[in-house]
Amino acid sequence: GESVGLHLPTLSVQEGDNSIINCAYSNSASDYFIWYKQESGKGPQFIIDIRSNMDKRQGQRVTVLLNKTVKHLSLQIAATQPGDSAVYFCAGLAGTDKLIFGTGTRLQVFP
Amino acid sequence: EAGVTQSPTHLIKTRGQQATLRCSPISGHTSVYWYQQALGLGLQFLLWYDEGEERNRGNFPPRFSGRQFPNYSSELNVNALELEDSALYLCASSTGLAAYNEQFFGPGTRLTVL
Repeated sequence: GESVGLHLPTLSVQEGDNSIINCAYSNSASDYFIWYKQESGKGPQFIIDIRSNMDKRQGQRVTVLLNKTVKHLSLQIAATQPGDSAVYFCAGLAGTDKLIFGTGTRLQVFP
Repeated sequence: EAGVTQSPTHLIKTRGQQATLRCSPISGHTSVYWYQQALGLGLQFLLWYDEGEERNRGNFPPRFSGRQFPNYSSELNVNALELEDSALYLCASSTGLAAYNEQFFGPGTRLTVL
């Protein structure tokens, strides 16, 4: 079946370092991916998205890389800050109307 | 502009009971999505409503149902509650018909089934 996931459960980084969160997907037909950030007690918040006709997209301090050959995407956070501590989910679009979410990676930022 | 709101924040029920969860989308949004987030798991797609109609549902039994009202708010009903229904239920809203449109999430309703 369709799946998006294979995250590490927890990633610990030092404040100021760069963070890389990885995600793999199984449905080669997925053509749209989103990264969400979920802070404790809150709903997921959109960070950045990427379509399959791109292999890289940059936002403010974040970059998403998409490798369609190995069905892998990553979220890079530059100069990680304590406020970046959260659970990060990738989600892939199955068809045109349903997002498939991964299980998430918890990012912990230490001073 | 107000975001997506959900009520109640917490809900405690016992096995066999029914639960009703409510969601108000962002003004102007016509699509409402429901997700279940069990502890330690990702979001599982439950239901999608747009313009009052159910557009798609995830792999959940029929005792999970819902509806969307003329003002685009939505209700999720879970009948014959089971212990494994305990989870955070998230509602999201978006404009338009495709999930390509950004989904804005509410804070969720924490359902506990005892």
